[in-house]
Amino acid sequence: DIQMTQSPSTLSASVGDRVTITCRASQSINSCLAWYQQKPGKAPKLLIYKASSLESGVPSRFSGSGSGTEFTLTISSLQPDDFATYYCQQYNGYSPPYTFGQGTKLEIK
Amino acid sequence: EVQVVESGGGLVQPGGSLRLSCAASGFTFSSYRMNWVRQAPGKGLEWLSYISRGGGFIYYADSVKGRFTVSRDNAKNSLYLQMNSLRAEDTAVYYCARGRIDSSSRDDGFDIWGQGTMVTVSS
Repeated sequence: DIQMTQSPSTLSASVGDRVTITCRASQSINSCLAWYQQKPGKAPKLLIYKASSLESGVPSRFSGSGSGTEFTLTISSLQPDDFATYYCQQYNGYSPPYTFGQGTKLEIK
Repeated sequence: EVQVVESGGGLVQPGGSLRLSCAASGFTFSSYRMNWVRQAPGKGLEWLSYISRGGGFIYYADSVKGRFTVSRDNAKNSLYLQMNSLRAEDTAVYYCARGRIDSSSRDDGFDIWGQGTMVTVSS
């Protein structure tokens, strides 16, 4: 099965900062990658699909890039509402298992 | 409103069984692949199971294979997860999630999630 590794596990940043979270796949997944945001006690929310496509209603300060085995989620200017945990997920081959990364907790500095 | 709502969680003893349900509304349920995902307390997300639109293709994570069974009833707009031989490590919030579909009708992430239902396995 494909393994997904996110870094860092925790990230401290301030409002207005530009932040980047990395997700690496154990083998090529082309562009079959999604990013989610999860706040405590809430369900995950889809932010990005196909590595770089922004889900409807998601602010444009969120962007995704990458293909193959290395991917990034960038938040261009952190807002107070963005402090949360972020997960990547692969869906290569359009056949499960659809593995998640271990998560990156974005904290207020 | 497009939504899915899980139910059926609770406290169960090790070795016991539980059946989770997920009620879908606001969309054509039979047109979407569905998934179960869980999250143990303080831990990350774990994909558990996938079922195709007609129920003919089913996949499980190794951690639940042989113990959990996913099914759906498109006439009732409902997804189910039958959980048997439950263990302490199955304690988690269980989410139902709709598979997003791309322009070629392929899987493309999970775009609709329920609020989750808590399952606690303890004596």
